[in-house]
Amino acid sequence: AQKITQTQPGMFVQEKEAVTLDCTYDTSDQSYGLFWYKQPSSGEMIFLIYQGSYDEQNATEGRYSLNFQKARKSANLVISASQLGDSAMYFCAMREGRAGNQFYFGTGTSLTVIP
Amino acid sequence: DSGVTQTPKHLITATGQRVTLRCSPRSGDLSVYWYQQSLDQGLQFLIQYYNGEERAKGNILERFSAQQFPDLHSELNLSSLELGDSALYFCASSVGTSGRVADTQYFGPGTRLTVL
Repeated sequence: AQKITQTQPGMFVQEKEAVTLDCTYDTSDQSYGLFWYKQPSSGEMIFLIYQGSYDEQNATEGRYSLNFQKARKSANLVISASQLGDSAMYFCAMREGRAGNQFYFGTGTSLTVIP
Repeated sequence: DSGVTQTPKHLITATGQRVTLRCSPRSGDLSVYWYQQSLDQGLQFLIQYYNGEERAKGNILERFSAQQFPDLHSELNLSSLELGDSALYFCASSVGTSGRVADTQYFGPGTRLTVL
């Protein structure tokens, strides 16, 4: 089974609107971390936000927030007030708590912000 | 700027050749990861080193090898290059504490390899 699933290959959002990028994960560990990265067309991978499995509150970083639903094993990224510069690929990733520190990436979602 | 450096930024070479990609991790990070990103296969984990020792191996071909040196910089060696090896190669680093789930990976800018 895939550890990280991103079912939206491409998304469009109007500038200044909010958008949710979906991510579901699969793990039997109780302790794990969830991450989102942004990859603009220039190619670099930029770390956006982190959520730990034991964190009681959803993580937020500026306009980024993580909608963490543990029972559903989902970790959706919410971008508020979209900007043209948000157009990029977005990757969800997970690190499990067991020794070995395996880091799993999803296949990514391409977000286009429309002016 | 993530603090991870990679050289060179671009590399163009011919089939059958050998190249070396270099990565310097962020200050204080002991773990280095290598990834290959191609259009048709997404982001593929190749290999991880921690403080000079290989820790995890992913989909790394036998023609590829890596090492991490005592100063913690790492090199990825790609030999007998094929057209299909053309890709963006990323290095990432993290503190590397085993079992620490908040151990964020920070990525370098990547090396874009083109094999002609």
